[in-house]
Amino acid sequence: NAGVTQTPKFRILKIGQSMTLQCAQDMNHNYMYWYRQDPGMGLKLIYYSVGAGITDKGEVPNGYNVSRSTTEDFPLRLELAAPSQTSVYFCASKFNTGELFFGEGSRLTVL
Amino acid sequence: ILNVEQSPQSLHVQEGDSTNFTCSFPSSNFYALHWYRWETAKSPEALFVMTLNGDEKKKGRISATLNTKEGYSYLYIKGSQPEDSATYLCAFNNNNDMRFGAGTRLTVKP
Repeated sequence: NAGVTQTPKFRILKIGQSMTLQCAQDMNHNYMYWYRQDPGMGLKLIYYSVGAGITDKGEVPNGYNVSRSTTEDFPLRLELAAPSQTSVYFCASKFNTGELFFGEGSRLTVL
Repeated sequence: ILNVEQSPQSLHVQEGDSTNFTCSFPSSNFYALHWYRWETAKSPEALFVMTLNGDEKKKGRISATLNTKEGYSYLYIKGSQPEDSATYLCAFNNNNDMRFGAGTRLTVKP
């Protein structure tokens, strides 16, 4: 089992560029989440999914989009990158009431 | 709005001290309360998942309690060691949504 795999680990973007952060899990988890780590603020929920074909907004969805076409994959798309989106992004998954399993994080810098 | 509050924000203790942190969360639409340990430059790792009012969980020197009616959970560390230094996060799960508090940053001095 690879667990939760995030790519890329690091990326530098210019303002206005777009990109997709990939997240894949091989544990057959139904729930998947995207968080961003803001200094002193812990983890903020961007989007989540309760199963293939279903997504919903979290606390800070503006500037992001997601899709969940399969159980395994939950990509996060950044449209028109802004400096405020400079952060470390974590993808996580779980099965029902179980614990969250996190990816290793993706550090994104927007210049 | 799902406000999850943790206190204190940071804590410095001496090796051997026992300590505790608080997590407060909405008392409605409760599904589960999670505790995670987060070391610098790593990903958060689960400590406990608690679902029932009155739940008490223990793992080695770390334990947690849950009160869903009043909306709080305590995490206790007995005899703190330098390797316990980390940020401790709680997360409130209301069935689908899962939101974290800002964390308590613990530093244990030898």
